[in-house]
Amino acid sequence: KAGVTQTPRYLIKTRGQQVTLSCSPISGHRSVSWYQQTPGQGLQFLFEYFSETQRNKGNFPGRFSGRQFSNSRSEMNVSTLELGDSALYLCASSFEWRGSEQYFGPGTRLTVT
Amino acid sequence: SQQGEEDPQALSIQEGENATMNCSYKTSINNLQWYRQNSGRGLVHLILIRSNEREKHSGRLRVTLDTSKKSSSLLITASRAADTASYFCAAEETSGSRLTFGEGTQLTVNP
Repeated sequence: KAGVTQTPRYLIKTRGQQVTLSCSPISGHRSVSWYQQTPGQGLQFLFEYFSETQRNKGNFPGRFSGRQFSNSRSEMNVSTLELGDSALYLCASSFEWRGSEQYFGPGTRLTVT
Repeated sequence: SQQGEEDPQALSIQEGENATMNCSYKTSINNLQWYRQNSGRGLVHLILIRSNEREKHSGRLRVTLDTSKKSSSLLITASRAADTASYFCAAEETSGSRLTFGEGTQLTVNP
């Protein structure tokens, strides 16, 4: 089986712009979660989706949003980018909503200048 | 803080030695998962231990879980230079699939 894929792998944006990141889960997996990783804050939970429904959301401002499609693929969007949004954004997929192994993609490295 | 804690933050050993990393968490959990990360790349899933399990093995990995102390440990036996990486524990909360990560242990295995 192919693993979790994330596109793009690298992205450079300017403050104030918006960005959309994409995640394709492992075939058959219905749950997708997003995490932000920075040197200062570590790995922080953004949100999770199961069957196109957002089940949980982390403590991030409303500029961060996401969605899941019927084929389980997910996108996250960050509007009005700030320098502090520079991070590695990781997507994880799992078969069930909870209790299953969660497999991560390679991440999208976002740099905001 | 939502972060768990890992101990030690950094560990340097020689090839062939064993490496032990400890993790503590704060919430009630479904399971605890361990990951490896090389130089800012994606997280590689190593092992999952459920809340009703006390010990689990996978190859050179041994994981223990003590839910009464809200702690876990990862033992890597007969370490290799290729094991050099950051290791994270992640507790899956009972409310869903949300993972709360520890701060990570940077393991360096010297050839």
